[in-house]
Amino acid sequence: DAKTTQPTSMDCAEGRAANLPCNHSTISGNEYVYWYRQIHSQGPQYIIHGLKNNETNEMASLIITEDRKSSTLILPHATLRDTAVYYCIDKNRDDKIIFGKGTRLHILP
Amino acid sequence: EAQVTQNPRYLITVTGKKLTVTCSQNMNHEYMSWYRQDPGLGLRQIYYSMNVEVTDKGDVPEGYKVSRKEKRNFPLILESPSPNQTSLYFCASSLWGASDTQYFGPGTRLTVL
Repeated sequence: DAKTTQPTSMDCAEGRAANLPCNHSTISGNEYVYWYRQIHSQGPQYIIHGLKNNETNEMASLIITEDRKSSTLILPHATLRDTAVYYCIDKNRDDKIIFGKGTRLHILP
Repeated sequence: EAQVTQNPRYLITVTGKKLTVTCSQNMNHEYMSWYRQDPGLGLRQIYYSMNVEVTDKGDVPEGYKVSRKEKRNFPLILESPSPNQTSLYFCASSLWGASDTQYFGPGTRLTVL
């Protein structure tokens, strides 16, 4: 089954850019890459998505490699409120959604 | 306000006592799904529904039932809860499918004694 691979945890200093990588080597050509985050035990929150081109919104930027096998979520100026678990999403052939275990991002004051 | 609501938010029950967790969305979304979240295991999909009267198993469907009689509601039913179903449950919806932005509810923390 298709699945994503992310580091278990990362640290980032407050005010610096946080770069979160994700490998999605089995993603098919017409599937978007989605990123969500979950703060403590709240419901996951959508951040950004992309297909081929780099994307930017008010929350983050998404860089997708040309072969689409990996992507990087960038939080340009991380704050303490960005401490969360970040999920990169893939889905399998039956249209189910598979969340990985995500990356626990710690923003250090 | 566009949202996904779940009730109850917290529930403590005993083994074998049937329960239902409700989920409702006001965005006219076609796709709805249920997840459970356990420490160290992340979010795992239980069931999903592509449209009214259409439901399919996710990765961990055993011990759960769902129904989709109306577009806005997608209740999760535990006919005979067991302690291994103690978990944090999330409902989600999206406009048309899995490859679309998912909107999550606030979660239901269930404890089965």
